[in-house]
Amino acid sequence: NAGVTQTPKFRVLKTGQSMTLLCAQDMNHEYMYWYRQDPGMGLRLIHYSVGEGTTAKGEVPDGYNVSRLKKQNFLLGLESAAPSQTSVYFCASSSGTGDEKLFFGSGTQLSVL
Amino acid sequence: GENVEQHPSTLSVQEGDSAVIKCTYSDSASNYFPWYKQELGKGPQLIIDIRSNVGEKKDQRIAVTLNKTAKHFSLHITETQPEDSAVYFCAADTGRRALTFGSGTRLQVQP
Repeated sequence: NAGVTQTPKFRVLKTGQSMTLLCAQDMNHEYMYWYRQDPGMGLRLIHYSVGEGTTAKGEVPDGYNVSRLKKQNFLLGLESAAPSQTSVYFCASSSGTGDEKLFFGSGTQLSVL
Repeated sequence: GENVEQHPSTLSVQEGDSAVIKCTYSDSASNYFPWYKQELGKGPQLIIDIRSNVGEKKDQRIAVTLNKTAKHFSLHITETQPEDSAVYFCAADTGRRALTFGSGTRLQVQP
């Protein structure tokens, strides 16, 4: 049972390039989240999904898009990367059945030059 | 929206001592308060949580207290051990199922 898997683990982009971060969970969870972690700022919610085919904006959604075409996958896209998007990105999931415990992936270190 | 402030940002204690981390929240509608522990190179993991209808919860060496009137909650770790060294995050949720996290506390337990 892998839990929450994020790919890639590391990536370096040039300003203006695009990329997609993939999150996959094998726990049949309804809820999925994308957070970014920056020094001294904790974890900030980018976008989240309460079920297949749904998405919602979090605290810092600008510059990012997401899709939840399949229940087990949640994709985070950067259409035109900026240096301000240099961060560690974490995906998380929760069951949605009253248990609010989040299960996190191991993170993606993204650098935008 | 919800705002969660966490103090201190760093905390160093001797092995065996107690550690206390404090958080305040702004939205009186918040009703769920978890604490997450993040070890180096890993994602955060839930260690304890408390709901607004409870004032205190314990799990072995870890306890959380909640003061709804003052809008603050605290994490207490007793008899600290070197493996408790990590970054700890508090969080709050109004029921939207979207947590707002504090800025984190780096705890170092000196052997």
